[in-house]
Amino acid sequence: TQLLEQSPQFLSIQEGENLTVYCNSSSVFSSLQWYRQEPGEGPVLLVTVVTGGEVKKLKRLTFQFGDARKDSSLHITAAQPGDTGLYLCAGGGQKLVFGQGTRLTINP
Amino acid sequence: GAVVSQHPSWVICKSGTSVKIECRSLDFQATTMFWYRQFPKQSLMLMATSNEGSKATYEQGVEKDKFLINHASLTLSTLTVTSAHPEDSSFYICSARDSFRTSGYNEQFFGPGTRLTVL
Repeated sequence: TQLLEQSPQFLSIQEGENLTVYCNSSSVFSSLQWYRQEPGEGPVLLVTVVTGGEVKKLKRLTFQFGDARKDSSLHITAAQPGDTGLYLCAGGGQKLVFGQGTRLTINP
Repeated sequence: GAVVSQHPSWVICKSGTSVKIECRSLDFQATTMFWYRQFPKQSLMLMATSNEGSKATYEQGVEKDKFLINHASLTLSTLTVTSAHPEDSSFYICSARDSFRTSGYNEQFFGPGTRLTVL
């Protein structure tokens, strides 16, 4: 069974700080997705990483896929209150496996 | 592109009644849709995989007679919570995979969710 472990599960920081969220597994994934979910809404796809070592940037968000395709990270530079939300990593085949999520709060 | 809608966005019902939730892919076709349940401050829990024109596949521990799924077209799947009870209160989210997307990355596009409250 493929499992994804996210850390930290909760993170509260001040506006302007940088942060990194990790998504780890003992299994190899052909691709991993990162989603962001706001309260009362469904998850929104941010990015898909598919190649080991791949780095993708989305404005202040940088996503990296591990060389062995077992882990991924999300780095946010100069966090803003609008970045607040639940960040989920997911991977798998027909059915997605989700990490537990990282609940991020950016304080003004 | 890749927009998924859900209806209703919220519903309150009395214990013992049935509630139907619709999930539509608005600008793409989806032979496969998924239904998730999410408890407060937790991640998504897959309930079942909805397959167009065939029976849904339920995850272990999910009662198929309680959570009826119908996927009659390439753009619509419905989840009916039968004889709902307060413990069924939750946030239900559907997702869909674009059948004709060539990337092959198993991406799912999510609806906005339905908040069910059973009194």
